[in-house]
Amino acid sequence: EVQLVQSGAEVKKPGESVRISCKGSGYSFSNFWIAWVRQMPGKGLEWMGIIYPGDSDIRYSPSFQGQVTISADKSISTAYLQWSSLKASDTAMYYCARSSGVAGTGLDPWGQGTLVTVSS
Amino acid sequence: DIQMTQSPSSLSASVGDRVTITCRASHSIIRYLNWYQQKPGKAPKLLIYAASSLQSGVPSRFSGSGSGTDFTLTISSLQPEDSATYYCQQSYSTPVYTFGQGTKLEIK
Repeated sequence: EVQLVQSGAEVKKPGESVRISCKGSGYSFSNFWIAWVRQMPGKGLEWMGIIYPGDSDIRYSPSFQGQVTISADKSISTAYLQWSSLKASDTAMYYCARSSGVAGTGLDPWGQGTLVTVSS
Repeated sequence: DIQMTQSPSSLSASVGDRVTITCRASHSIIRYLNWYQQKPGKAPKLLIYAASSLQSGVPSRFSGSGSGTDFTLTISSLQPEDSATYYCQQSYSTPVYTFGQGTKLEIK
């Protein structure tokens, strides 16, 4: 079974750093893109960026470029999303999802989500 | 960048109704359009890809159509479990994606 399992919820203070993870199983992790999607409380889905673990090719949404860092370690089939200095406005649910990278295909499957709460 | 606009932003319908949600792209995306369903507290689920192809396991009452800039998601006979928020997403510029703002569907 193809699965993405994300790390647990995080509670942080403004200015702190955090890294959340997304571990893939049941498929060749290096050969599929992993996307990150933000969902702020009560709001819609926002595409943040995507990485190809095979060669670490990364694309960022202009809205998130410079605000987060996407990375991956293909040796342990895990992708990461990290912040160096959190803001209260980073409070959201973050999802990872798999993409074949082929035009016309969608994001499937999705991880269960990681809730990041930033509060003083 | 490709912008995606959904309408309506919310709607309410009765069990058995035929429901249509529309998605418009800022320029032609051919047929590279996906639809997702998200229920409260859950991750989104892929329903339809490439405008009209049903993802495995998705009930046949869901269908998609359109090309170019205008697309629709149709539920032929609304069921109680279809209460959710629906999102369109363009995959023309894969691996760069854009989502619509979502349509919240409630059951009367």
